[in-house]
Amino acid sequence: DTQMTQSPSSLSASVGDRVTITCRASQSMSSYVHWYQQKAGKAPKLLIYAASSLQSGVPSRFSGRGSGTDFTLTISSLQPEDFATYYCQQSYSIPLTFGGGTKVEIK
Amino acid sequence: QVQLQESGPGLVKPSQTLSLTCTVSGGSISSGNYYWSWIRQPAGKGLEWIGRIYTSESTHYNPSLKSRVSISVDTSKNQLSLKLSSVTAADTAVYYCARWAAAAGDAFDIWGLGTMVTVS
Repeated sequence: DTQMTQSPSSLSASVGDRVTITCRASQSMSSYVHWYQQKAGKAPKLLIYAASSLQSGVPSRFSGRGSGTDFTLTISSLQPEDFATYYCQQSYSIPLTFGGGTKVEIK
Repeated sequence: QVQLQESGPGLVKPSQTLSLTCTVSGGSISSGNYYWSWIRQPAGKGLEWIGRIYTSESTHYNPSLKSRVSISVDTSKNQLSLKLSSVTAADTAVYYCARWAAAAGDAFDIWGLGTMVTVS
């Protein structure tokens, strides 16, 4: 199975901060990595697909980069509604796998 | 707009079979280049992909669950189904159905609200 390792597992930040979350794959993924946001008690929501494409309706403060094994999700200016848990996911190989999540909390 | 809604028993006894249904509204389950997946999440933990189906002849399962899981589609009802046999407490989780779309870079672009299943 392809392991997706996210870091950090949690972080504290203030409104307006720039936040970057990293996801490292155990093998090369090309660009088959996606990012989701999950708020408490809710289903995950697709933010970024294919490493860097912004899903329709997602604010432009979210961006993704990377290819191969290293990928990042950046929030350019953290907003109150962005406090949530973020997951990366690979669709390069079966079984599809998710990272362990990064919880973004209010400082 | 396509929407997904999971349904099924919230409580299942150990060793029995968990059966869930996902109803697709706002679009046909058999149209477009989509796989339909089940994903689960134990309380306070991460996401685990269970499996997916494209047509009745095209399914893929997580090897960790493959011996116990079956996913099917009923196109007449526009529904996706999950059966997980011989359940234990470790299968207690929120179960989501999700659409996997090639147009979204092979990502899960639409999710159901999820349904909580407790094995006890």
